Formats: sequence, structure tokens, C-alpha cells
Amino acid sequence: EDQVTQSPEALRLQEGESSSLNCSYTVSGLRGLFWYRQDPGKGPEFLFTLYSAGEEKEKERLKATLTKKESFLHITAPKPEDSATYLCASSNDYKLSFGAGTTVTVRA
Amino acid sequence: EAQVTQNPRYLITVTGKKLTVTCSQNMNHEYMSWYRQDPGLGLRQIYYSMNVEVTDKGDVPEGYKVSRKEKRNFPLILESPSPNQTSLYFCASSLLGGIVGNEQFFGPGTRLTVL
Repeated sequence: EDQVTQSPEALRLQEGESSSLNCSYTVSGLRGLFWYRQDPGKGPEFLFTLYSAGEEKEKERLKATLTKKESFLHITAPKPEDSATYLCASSNDYKLSFGAGTTVTVRA
Repeated sequence: EAQVTQNPRYLITVTGKKLTVTCSQNMNHEYMSWYRQDPGLGLRQIYYSMNVEVTDKGDVPEGYKVSRKEKRNFPLILESPSPNQTSLYFCASSLLGGIVGNEQFFGPGTRLTVL
């Protein structure tokens, strides 16, 4: 069975304190690894898609990387507006499997 | 404005009373999907549709039905809701689904309570 596990469940950071979120997956025939951001009371918002080990993508203070077993979302010098729940998901053709998410709180 | 809309946004109902949650997208996307989100369990896929008249089960399809008669609409039907279907539901769409074009756009969510 496809499984996606995210850690930690929650992360409290001081503004400017860089950190990383982990997403490990056991998916047969992985076709893509996705990162989403979800704000309270809203639907998830797409951030990145990674397709192969070694691939990296960046957007502002966020950088996503992919290995054969896990993906990392690095947050560099976070600001309070980066506070959100970050979700990763694996794709096996048309089905998506999501992790439970990491809730990031950035204090000013 | 490109968007996915869901109605209703909030619904309180009783066990066994049939209900439909509508989902509509205006981006001409081929792929649409329904998810439920529960604390500690994350988003779980209920059903998805690769195109009109083509649907398939996700990970938690029991107790739900879907139909895709038009490209833009993908309603979720609960024919006999039970309390364990109390959850936050999201509809999503993407251009193609599959590997390419699987950036999914999510609706605002429907919070359902079944008493």
C-alpha cells in the first residue's frame, strides 16, 4: 500500500530560523512528488512537483528536493507569513496519496 | 477568475438523509477529484475522474457516489450519510491528471456534519 509520512507534525520557528520538513514515501511506481501549502480554513495551494531523484525546485524562501525515498522542503529565513500546514503527496498515475502534513508556525 | 467552487460550504444533516455536494471548475480541466480531510489522517482521495463519463475509486470510496456528465461538474453524492462521514471535503481539478499537468487546484472546502 502506498504510504506518505511527514515529520515533524509541528514546527515552531523564530523568524529567520531556517529549517527542513521531511516527507518519506513508499510508493510503487512513483510518478511525481508534490508539495502543497494549506492555510487555516482554505483548500491546499500547489507549490512544487518533483519527478526524479536529484531534482530541486525553488520558490522564494522554499526549496524542495527529492531522493529515492524522501523529499525535503527547506524553509530559508522564514517570515511569519510562511506559517501554514505543508502537505506532500505522491502520485501513481491518477491517484494521489497525501501525508498528514507539517504545521509550521513562524514567530516574529 | 480561474477557480473551483463547491456548494454548500457548510452542511449539518442527519443520518440517512441523502445529500449532494456540488463541485464546478471553469478552467476546462479534464481531471477532477474529491478528498476528505480528517485530523491526523490528512487528505484522502475518495473518487477521481479522468474525463467525462470516466471515474474511478480512490482510497476511501465506501458510502460515496460520483458522476461526471459534464466536463465542468463533478458532484459528490452521499445516499445514506452516517456520522463517520462527518469531515471536511475538498474538490480539486487539474488540466490532465496523471504525470503531466497534475498541478491540482482545490476548492474552498465543504464542512459536513452528520448527526
